[in-house]
Amino acid sequence: AQSVTQLDSQVPVFEEAPVELRCNYSSSVSVYLFWYVQYPNQGLQLLLKYLSGSTLVKGINGFEAEFNKSQTSFHLRKPSVHISDTAEYFCAVSVYFGNEKLTFGTGTRLTIIP
Amino acid sequence: EAGVAQSPRYKIIEKRQSVAFWCNPISGHATLYWYQQILGQGPKLLIQFQNNGVVDDSQLPKDRFSAERLKGVDSTLKIQPAKLEDSAVYLCASSFLAGERSPLHFGNGTRLTVT
Repeated sequence: AQSVTQLDSQVPVFEEAPVELRCNYSSSVSVYLFWYVQYPNQGLQLLLKYLSGSTLVKGINGFEAEFNKSQTSFHLRKPSVHISDTAEYFCAVSVYFGNEKLTFGTGTRLTIIP
Repeated sequence: EAGVAQSPRYKIIEKRQSVAFWCNPISGHATLYWYQQILGQGPKLLIQFQNNGVVDDSQLPKDRFSAERLKGVDSTLKIQPAKLEDSAVYLCASSFLAGERSPLHFGNGTRLTVT
C-alpha cells in the first residue's frame, strides 16, 4: 500500500519570503502525486499534480513542485509568499490499479507572518 | 459552473443518535466520493461511486455508516448510531471521470460534532 508523509505539521514564514513544504511518499509501484490546498472552512482545491513527463510541475498561485523519484519526494515551493497563502496544504498519492483513489498526508499548516 | 454543494455545514448530535449528510455534485460528474477528515489528519476515502454504483467502500464502517447515490446524481451519507470518534468534517467530491487524470472538485464539507 502507498503512504504519504508530511514531516512539518506547521510552517511559519514571513511575507515575501520563500517557502518549501516537504512531502515524501512510499509505494512499490509507480505513483501519481498531488498537492491540494484547503483554506479555512472550505473544501480542498487542487494546486498541482504530477502524472508523468517533466519532473518540475507548475501550479496555480505561483506554486511549483518537483518530483524526485530517487528520494521519493514531491516538495512544494513558492519563491515569495503572500498573506493569502495562509492555509493547510495536503500532499496526496495515487497508484494506478483501476481505481485511483487518493491517499492524503496529514497536512502542513502554512502561516504567513506580516 | 456551480461547485459541489453540501448540507448542512454544521451538525451537532449526541452519541447514539443518527445523522445524514447530503451532497450534490457538479452537473455531469459521474464519479462521487465521500471523505472523512478528522482534526489533524488528512482526508480518508470512505466510499466512491461511479454513477449510482459503488466502486470502493473498503474503508466505510458498514456497521454504522451507509451511503447511497440514487439516479447517479445526489448522494446521502448516513451514520447510525453515531460515536464520539465520528466527529470530523465530511467532504464530498466529484469528478468527470474516475481517476487522477480527472481532478476532484471538493465541497466545503459538513462539520459533525458528536457529544
